[in-house]
Amino acid sequence: GNSVTQMEGPVTLSEEAFLTINCTYTATGYPSLFWYVQYPGEGLQLLLKATKADDKGSNKGFEATYRKETTSFHLEKGSVQVSDSAVYFCALSLISSGSARQLTFGSGTQLTVLP
Amino acid sequence: DARVTQTPRHKVTEMGQEVTMRCQPILGHNTVFWYRQTMMQGLELLAYFRNRAPLDDSGMPKDRFSAEMPDATLATLKIQPSEPRDSAVYFCASGLTQGQGSGANVLTFGAGSRLTVL
Repeated sequence: GNSVTQMEGPVTLSEEAFLTINCTYTATGYPSLFWYVQYPGEGLQLLLKATKADDKGSNKGFEATYRKETTSFHLEKGSVQVSDSAVYFCALSLISSGSARQLTFGSGTQLTVLP
Repeated sequence: DARVTQTPRHKVTEMGQEVTMRCQPILGHNTVFWYRQTMMQGLELLAYFRNRAPLDDSGMPKDRFSAEMPDATLATLKIQPSEPRDSAVYFCASGLTQGQGSGANVLTFGAGSRLTVL
């Protein structure tokens, strides 16, 4: 089946530190890959996405590159801010014949950035 | 900004009571998803609809949960009777899916309905 494995949290960093959150996936086809972010008390929001191998998604200083050879989509940011404190979810979406393309989520990684 | 609206935001009820959660998807979106989030299980897909037709509700306990879309502007998730293990945050999300081979599936999530069953 399809699955997403994320780095276990929580992750605590100081402001301006470098961030990496690891994500690997298992899929029976060629998925699209996503990072969603959930701020406290809110729903998930799309952070970035990549639809094919070697694509790089980027947004708000975050980046992730679709690596087919390592089945990975690690999230990185060069300098985190306190406002980046949130839960980050890696997800994949596969086209299945006759059905909508639902997302399979990882377990989420809690990030706390200290001033 | 277009939003997915969920009500109620918070609900506390007693075991055995009926609970109905409502969702207004973004106008023009043709897919609607219900997810449940708990600390132990993370995000679980309960059900989803395309063009108001239920496509998969295999993630939902059938004996007590039901999901419907009476019209394109309203999706409901009902629990009857509710149990303490149903306590969770329930998210609705909507998206636009056009055919089998186009685009990536980007979903817009609502803020969630936090349910506590005592």
